[in-house]
Amino acid sequence: NAGVTQTPKFQVLKTGQSMTLQCAQDMNHEYMSWYRQDPGMGLRLIHYSVGAGITDQGEVPNGYNVSRSTTEDFPLRLLSAAPSQTSVYFCASSPLAGGTAGELFFGEGSRLTVL
Amino acid sequence: DQQVKQNSPSLSVQEGRISILNCDYTNSMFDYFLWYKKYPAEGPTFLISISSIKDKNEDGRFTVFLNKSAKHLSLHIVPSQPGDSAVYFCAAHGDQGGSEKLVFGKGMKLTVNP
Repeated sequence: NAGVTQTPKFQVLKTGQSMTLQCAQDMNHEYMSWYRQDPGMGLRLIHYSVGAGITDQGEVPNGYNVSRSTTEDFPLRLLSAAPSQTSVYFCASSPLAGGTAGELFFGEGSRLTVL
Repeated sequence: DQQVKQNSPSLSVQEGRISILNCDYTNSMFDYFLWYKKYPAEGPTFLISISSIKDKNEDGRFTVFLNKSAKHLSLHIVPSQPGDSAVYFCAAHGDQGGSEKLVFGKGMKLTVNP
């Protein structure tokens, strides 16, 4: 009963490095999203996808890229990491139909530090 | 401009007493309001929600009240238990700019003391 799986759980990067945060879900959910959580800022939406091949920007998309080639996977790419991207990142999914509106299933988070 | 506001960053209550967590919102187009609970080093988990056409929803020890005229909702936990100690996020769901969005508040840390 995996749900939403995020890897890695912890990562330290140097400024300018690139990396990909992986997210996979096994619930056949159409909707997937990435949030970042910063102290005193709550959860802010970075990018989201309503199905394979469809992605869109959220509230804070700058510096991040996403793609959705399959229903299960929704990776988040940092092309050139900056200290401002130090945060905890959460991937979340939900069914577009049949579920409670707004109910998201979250992964356990990925803590990223950019030096 | 913050659309969902949790103005108190923390709350401390005694075990067995009532915990009341408050949330205000600005956008009258929101159609659902939700509460999420988050333990340290874990992802948030859905707790309870309420439709904008209702004013109360109850699930065991948890009750959410919605006052649309005041654009205010609250989460009541009765009786509070030490295991309820967590960060609680208020969230609002609605159609914004042609797509469905979920907007979160900044969160409130609840501590229930034994």
